[in-house]
Amino acid sequence: QQQVKQSPQSLIVQKGGISIINCAYENTAFDYFPWYQQFPGKGPALLIAIRPDVSEKKEGRFTISFNKSAKQFSLHIMDSQPGDSATYFCAASIPNTNAGKSTFGDGTTLTVKP
Amino acid sequence: ETGVTQSPTHLIKTRGQQVTLRCSSQSGHNTVSWYQQALGQGPQFIFQYYREEENGRGNFPPRFSGLQFPNYSSELNVNALELDDSALYLCASSFQGSYEQYFGPGTRLTVT
Repeated sequence: QQQVKQSPQSLIVQKGGISIINCAYENTAFDYFPWYQQFPGKGPALLIAIRPDVSEKKEGRFTISFNKSAKQFSLHIMDSQPGDSATYFCAASIPNTNAGKSTFGDGTTLTVKP
Repeated sequence: ETGVTQSPTHLIKTRGQQVTLRCSSQSGHNTVSWYQQALGQGPQFIFQYYREEENGRGNFPPRFSGLQFPNYSSELNVNALELDDSALYLCASSFQGSYEQYFGPGTRLTVT
């Protein structure tokens, strides 16, 4: 059972455009929702994260929008740049004393064309 | 501050063999989690170690085992390797109680 579903699988955006990646989750016990960026040959790097008590979080060009009732959250990359070309993963974690155990989506490969 | 390091970078093994992968956690982090990332998929949680004990496990068989050492570094051991074990194995370190985890570059394991 896949608990975190991510879409689209791949995305092509022109430089300066907005990239939007969506995730839906099933388990209402999740309470931490990070996004990771992964370049080829590298491990995932934490990009931005949100807790369910807020509906939006912005850090620079990256924004997470969170809809608790719909059990969905999305990543928006404003003014997309060729350097943003990477694979993006959403994830979700259940709260307990053993933080770090995350369920990941299957990833979105973003290509930003110059 | 030293980031998460993993060794080796690449490894080729034969079906039925055993393998040990190593991870050094980021300075100050006391918890290590291991993930398996198959090609084209997201990382899947294998298990987590805290205070040198397994502290949660995903849906992986017992032939996947691990260790954590007093300096918080960790090993992942896989016995009786199967072709489906071919994947990128990622180690992530965190501080117990924090959700933020930091990944190493991974070990690419190929089983032939």
